Amino acid sequence: DGGITQSPKYLFRKEGQNVTLSCEQNLNHDAMYWYRQDPGQGLRLIYYSQIVNDFQKGDIAEGYSVSREKKESFPLTVTSAQKNPTAFYLCASSRREAQETQYFGPGTRLLVL
Amino acid sequence: GQNIDQPTEMTATEGAIVQINCTYQTSGFNGLFWYQQHAGEAPTFLSYNVLDGLEEKGRFSSFLSRSKGYSYLLLKELQMKDSASYLCAVRGEGFQKLVFGTGTRLLVSP
Repeated sequence: DGGITQSPKYLFRKEGQNVTLSCEQNLNHDAMYWYRQDPGQGLRLIYYSQIVNDFQKGDIAEGYSVSREKKESFPLTVTSAQKNPTAFYLCASSRREAQETQYFGPGTRLLVL
Repeated sequence: GQNIDQPTEMTATEGAIVQINCTYQTSGFNGLFWYQQHAGEAPTFLSYNVLDGLEEKGRFSSFLSRSKGYSYLLLKELQMKDSASYLCAVRGEGFQKLVFGTGTRLLVSP
């Protein structure tokens, strides 16, 4: 079955610690995205990548970093510089055509201890 | 700037019809998407509009007026499983980036 997987489902971070959220897709999509969702707010774009070895900052990139070494994988690192990391993180992928929807993974809920 | 407005919450009765509105102001327009999101789960695609008019897909329909910056999602024959948040998202200028509204939480009661 084709789809997007994210791991872990829940992640706990200690103060001053970097953590990495995994996102893998086997849909052969060129584009991948990371969003953050907070209660009462819409999805906000953190980073996106249109092609391997290339990525751009979204609206709230500060305190986050990404890499895109393989088409299938787009991991997100939440660094210690992100002062309010508690949120629901969603990864998505899509084809490049304008009318194509984005497909979302199941999400990772990050909590700060 | 970019702004998308949706009502925060709506309630309806099983079997009824509900209309969820979305107004937008974006830099350019290259399509509007509606997604359904159950609590704690990923959003799932419902509909896409890029031209004015109504798109019907089973119990769900979506309407777009580009001149008014307005869309609505119409849900017919409501079922309990339709209780979820409904997200309006607009693609403005540029590559596939979407701007999301805050979502409308729909509660369907028996």
